[in-house]
Amino acid sequence: AQTVTQSQPEMSVQEAETVTLSCTYDTSESDYYLFWYKQPPSRQMILVIRQEAYKQQNATENRFSVNFQKAAKSFSLKISDSQLGDAAMYFCAYRRDPRAGTASKLTFGTGTRLQVTL
Amino acid sequence: EAQVTQNPRYLITVTGKKLTVTCSQNMNHEYMSWYRQDPGLGLRQIYYSMNVEVTDKGDVPEGYKVSRKEKRNFPLILESPSPNQTSLYFCASSAGNRGVGSGANVLTFGAGSRLTVL
Repeated sequence: AQTVTQSQPEMSVQEAETVTLSCTYDTSESDYYLFWYKQPPSRQMILVIRQEAYKQQNATENRFSVNFQKAAKSFSLKISDSQLGDAAMYFCAYRRDPRAGTASKLTFGTGTRLQVTL
Repeated sequence: EAQVTQNPRYLITVTGKKLTVTCSQNMNHEYMSWYRQDPGLGLRQIYYSMNVEVTDKGDVPEGYKVSRKEKRNFPLILESPSPNQTSLYFCASSAGNRGVGSGANVLTFGAGSRLTVL
């Protein structure tokens, strides 16, 4: 079974600084997807960024980028120029390729709460 | 606007009183799923559906039922709620098997339903 581990329950960053959130996962699959979701106080689950495992290039979305290390099964999220609005719970998630035959759920880590200070 | 709509958003009920949380999506998605979120545990899948009349258990299905009579709707039924089902519930949907690299593998989440069972 796939597992996703986020070893940092809480992180803090100063406004305008850079922070990296860690995520590791365990799988025997070769084709899969990785995601970072943000959950602000409104509780809405918002997709931040996604990575296809077959792509070697790391995904980027504006101030958000990932460091995807497939061999190490590591998928960290870097937030540059942090803003107050980035304060939220961040979840790392894994989804196997649906073409594998069985329905592919999203497996979540336990989350990292990010505080942004002035 | 493409969205997943859940109702009710908040509910306080008593042990044993049957309740249904509705979920509807307007994106013609084949795949729908229910998750529960508990502190320190992340999100865990309860049930999922690959298409109309096709449902299956997730990781924590005990005490829940689902049905998928129409493509757009996927209600979650608690026949006899108990206090350990107090949680934040999310419905999510995505397109079906669209292959590697397709954005269709991204799950869109509803706004969440906070359920308290006394």
